[in-house]
Amino acid sequence: GAVVSQHPSRVICKSGTSVKIECRSLDFQATTMFWYRQFPKQSLMLMATSNEGSKATYEQGVEKDKFLINHASLTLSTLTVTSAHPEDSSFYICSATVGGRQPQHFGDGTRLSIL
Amino acid sequence: AQTVTQSQPEMSVQEAETVTLSCTYDTSESDYYLFWYKQPPSRQMILVIRQEAYKQQNATENRFSVNFQKAAKSFSLKISDSQLGDAAMYFCAWQGGSEKLVFGKGTKLTVNP
Repeated sequence: GAVVSQHPSRVICKSGTSVKIECRSLDFQATTMFWYRQFPKQSLMLMATSNEGSKATYEQGVEKDKFLINHASLTLSTLTVTSAHPEDSSFYICSATVGGRQPQHFGDGTRLSIL
Repeated sequence: AQTVTQSQPEMSVQEAETVTLSCTYDTSESDYYLFWYKQPPSRQMILVIRQEAYKQQNATENRFSVNFQKAAKSFSLKISDSQLGDAAMYFCAWQGGSEKLVFGKGTKLTVNP
């Protein structure tokens, strides 16, 4: 149980395009989802917290207009990297939880490369 | 602000031996959770073990156990009978009332055959 699916696993696109990453909880309802960014050989950096039906809460220093988050249902959250540039290239990971401080379950991540 | 410190960037262990990964944290909250996550080369984050701060008994999961010292704010992970598949990055994480996870910088574990 507690499976989180993240899609796509790998994206390569040209500078200036927008990229959407999906995060789905397959066998549970996720009241809260989290989006992280991980640079090579570094730890996970929390970008934003997403609650179903409400606006995402972004961490300090994360551009809201650059990283659009939509939590449309209890099983789906999306991260859209708008007008992506090479500096946005990174590994993005989502996690989901039923809430109540239950463990976060992570997706497999998305490797984003902007040329 | 809460911080999590993993002082060992890299560790190595012989197959079948025991290894302990260190983690300390700083918090003013009294009710929190602590976690160890494993990230193999595939980069999937796998929950290894979870400890509730108000429980004095150390959590165990098969070959994985923790030494939780609340007063010292220490939360080390012991891996017994190490296997090649245990090779990975290990992240210690803290969670308070906000549900956010605060991660340490990680320890890269190598298992030698």
